[in-house]
Amino acid sequence: SQTIHQWPATLVQPVGSPLSLECTVEGTSNPNLYWYRQAAGRGLQLLFYSVGIGQISSEVPQNLSASRPQDRQFILSSKKLLLSDSGFYLCAWSRGGENEKLFFGSGTQLSVL
Amino acid sequence: QKEVEQDPGPLSVPEGAIVSLNCTYSNSAFQYFMWYRQYSRKGPELLMYTYSSGNKEDGRFTAQVDKSSKYISLFIRDSQPSDSATYLCAVSGGGADGLTFGKGTHLIIQP
Repeated sequence: SQTIHQWPATLVQPVGSPLSLECTVEGTSNPNLYWYRQAAGRGLQLLFYSVGIGQISSEVPQNLSASRPQDRQFILSSKKLLLSDSGFYLCAWSRGGENEKLFFGSGTQLSVL
Repeated sequence: QKEVEQDPGPLSVPEGAIVSLNCTYSNSAFQYFMWYRQYSRKGPELLMYTYSSGNKEDGRFTAQVDKSSKYISLFIRDSQPSDSATYLCAVSGGGADGLTFGKGTHLIIQP
């Protein structure tokens, strides 16, 4: 069976500090990978998606970046966090050809102070 | 324009009631319609998936899609306190560029 791991669960960071969130998927090959952000009252916002190693598409201009160094690893990064980066970050995966069926990780609650 | 409208609630109903959750969308190109359930501080989980118009039933849950009206619904029969969660509708054109989600409806089932 497939599983998705996302960590850490909670993170408190000062403004201007760097960020690295990691997500890994097990039990499948060549998944499509996604980073979403969920802010209070704003729903789920797609940040980045990837259909293969080194292939990153950005949906929203911001000070965040994503990388996919391995087939089942997806990393969300920032060099300098802003207050507005606070939110609940979710990693998700889907099988190619079944893009509408997303499977989410447990999320990271990021508070930038 | 990608847009999905969903009443955020909260919607509070007594245990055993039939619950109706709804979303509207604006882009007629969407072909896939999903409902996700999200418990507090957890990742959403896929509850129902429908392709094109029609109904789909799974246990106490029924998903309904009316593409002519751009309207999607989720019905929950015999609602239970464990159904208390946020329900997110989502739409997709089938591409790899992710889903467009509604903001979610917070549902409370009172024992």
